[in-house]
Amino acid sequence: DIQMTQSPSSLSASVGDRVTITCRASQSITGYLNWYQQQPGKAPKLLIYATSTLQSGVPSRFSGSGSGTDFSLTISSLQPEDFATYYCQQSYSPTFGQGTKVEIK
Amino acid sequence: QVQLQESGPGLVKPSQTLSLTCTVSGASIITGGDYWNWIRQHPGKGLEWIGYIYYNGDTYYNPSLKSRVSMSVDTSRNRFSLRLPSVTAADTAVYYCVRARGPTPLKYYFDYWGQGTPVTVSS
Repeated sequence: DIQMTQSPSSLSASVGDRVTITCRASQSITGYLNWYQQQPGKAPKLLIYATSTLQSGVPSRFSGSGSGTDFSLTISSLQPEDFATYYCQQSYSPTFGQGTKVEIK
Repeated sequence: QVQLQESGPGLVKPSQTLSLTCTVSGASIITGGDYWNWIRQHPGKGLEWIGYIYYNGDTYYNPSLKSRVSMSVDTSRNRFSLRLPSVTAADTAVYYCVRARGPTPLKYYFDYWGQGTPVTVSS
């Protein structure tokens, strides 16, 4: 199994802040690296796939980058609706990161 | 609008079989390049991929669950199912059915999710 480790596990930020979440894989990713947002009590929502492609309808303040084993999700200007838990996921026998909870400071 | 809807019992006794069905609307389950998945989330925890089935019946399961899991597809009813026998408390989770799309079976993303159905294993 490819293990995915996100950091930080949680963070506190203010509206308007720039936020970056990192995801490290235990070996080089050969499949896709995707990012999801989950609001409490809801199903996850796809934000970014194939490292950096924005899913249709997702605001452009979300961006993704990376390669090999190191990837990141950036929110350029945090909005109230962005307070949620974020997961990275690799698609080769899929595994998810443990999640990063973004809370209001 | 693609929609997936899970159905099945919310309470299963230990050692019995968990059976869930996902009905797909707004998309055809026989579309090439679409893979039909089950993912679960233990209470307060992260996400665990269970496996997928393709419209032709091909399956690929999480190696950690492979010995217990089976999936089937009913193309005439545009739905697919999960069967997990010999459940224990460790199988208590919210179960999601999810569409995956991508160019190959190992390069894809989960783009449409059901709302999730909670399943509790308890006597």
